[in-house]
Amino acid sequence: EDQVTQSPEALRLQEGESSSLNCSYTVSGLRGLFWYRQDPGKGPEFLFTLYSAGEEKEKERLKATLTKKESFLHITAPKPEDSATYLCAVHVYGQNFVFGPGTRLSVLP
Amino acid sequence: GAGVSQTPSNKVTEKGKYVELRCDPISGHTALYWYRQSLGQGPEFLIYFQGTGAADDSGLPNDRFFAVRPEGSVSTLKIQRTERGDSAVYLCASSSGIGTEAFFGQGTRLTVV
Repeated sequence: EDQVTQSPEALRLQEGESSSLNCSYTVSGLRGLFWYRQDPGKGPEFLFTLYSAGEEKEKERLKATLTKKESFLHITAPKPEDSATYLCAVHVYGQNFVFGPGTRLSVLP
Repeated sequence: GAGVSQTPSNKVTEKGKYVELRCDPISGHTALYWYRQSLGQGPEFLIYFQGTGAADDSGLPNDRFFAVRPEGSVSTLKIQRTERGDSAVYLCASSSGIGTEAFFGQGTRLTVV
C-alpha cells in the first residue's frame, strides 16, 4: 500500500532559526512528489514539484530536495509569515495524489 | 476564473439530508480531484476525473457519495442521507495533465448536525 509520512508532526522555531521538514514515502511507481503550504481555513497552495532523486527546487526561504525514499523541505531563516501546515504528496503512476498528514510549523517573532 | 472555485464555502445540513457541492476548475484543466480533509489531517482522496469520466473512484467511502463531471469542466459531489461523520472540509483540485501539480480551491466546510 502506498504510504506517506511526515515528521515532525509540529515544529516551533524562533524567527531566523533554520530547520528541515521530512517527508518519507513508500510507493510503487513515483510520478512526482509535491509540496504544498496550507494556511488555516484555506486550501493547499502549491509550492514545488520534484520528479527524480537528486533534484532540488528553491523559492525564497524554502528549498525542497528529493531522494529515492524521502524529501526534505529546508527552511532558511524563517519569518513568522512562514507559519503554516506543510503538506507533502506523492503522485503515483495510474493513480491519484496521496497526501501525508502534514507538519504544523510555527515561527515565533 | 483564475483559480479553482468551490461553492458553497460553508454548508450546514441536518442528518439524513442530501447535499451537493460544486467545483469549477481552472479553465482548460482536464484532471479534477475531490478530497476530504478532517481537522489536523492531510487531504484524503475521494475521486479523480480525467475529462468527463471518473478515472478512479476508489476513495469514495460508500454508495452515499457520488460525483459527476458531465461536460468535462464543472464537477458536483453529491452526498445522500448525510451522516454526522461526513462533516469535514471537501477540497477540489484541478491539474493540466497527469503528473503535473494540482491547484486547490478554498474548500467547502460541510457540517452535518
